[in-house]
Amino acid sequence: AQSVTQPDARVTVSEGASLQLRCKYSYSATPYLFWYVQYPRQGLQLLLKYYSGDPVVQGVNGFEAEFSKSNSSFHLRKASVHWSDSAVYFCAVSMASSSFSKLVFGQGTSLSVVP
Amino acid sequence: EAAVTQSPRNKVAVTGGKVTLSCNQTNNHNNMYWYRQDTGHGLRLIHYSYGAGSTEKGDIPDGYKASRPSQENFSLILELATPSQTSVYFCASGDAAGASAETLYFGSGTRLTVL
Repeated sequence: AQSVTQPDARVTVSEGASLQLRCKYSYSATPYLFWYVQYPRQGLQLLLKYYSGDPVVQGVNGFEAEFSKSNSSFHLRKASVHWSDSAVYFCAVSMASSSFSKLVFGQGTSLSVVP
Repeated sequence: EAAVTQSPRNKVAVTGGKVTLSCNQTNNHNNMYWYRQDTGHGLRLIHYSYGAGSTEKGDIPDGYKASRPSQENFSLILELATPSQTSVYFCASGDAAGASAETLYFGSGTRLTVL
């Protein structure tokens, strides 16, 4: 069965610094990969998704993620974070052959951006 | 803009009581989902639906029922609530863009406490 691991439960970065949030997945075939963000007291919103093509995929608000098949990873990056980026970030994987979106989520990484 | 509305926002229930969580979407999406979010587990799929009249079991369906009486509405029912069902519940609709690659649109969540 597929699984997703986000090894960092909490990350704190200074405003203006670069960011990388790590995600490792376990799946035998090429999966669909997603990053969702949850702002305080809100539901999750899609940041970006990947299935094939260029391993670096661009998302909203300056976020990007890089797929690595050899490392089974899909890390999220941002060049310069803003205080409004403080949120919980979830990596998720979906089986490519399923007839619906059976997403498996990681445990989430809580990001705090400090002055 | 896509809209998924959940009610109530907060609910306190007693052990053994019946609880109904409601979800309404104005996206005209066929797919709808119920997840629960617990610290350390990310989001886990409880039930989902392909359309009006259909409900399917997700990964953790025990103790839960679902009802999809119309395209817009999807309810989660706890017939005999237990303290272990204390959690935050999220409803989502899916745009079925290639099934596995679909984007999910989440409501703001219902915080359920079972005493």
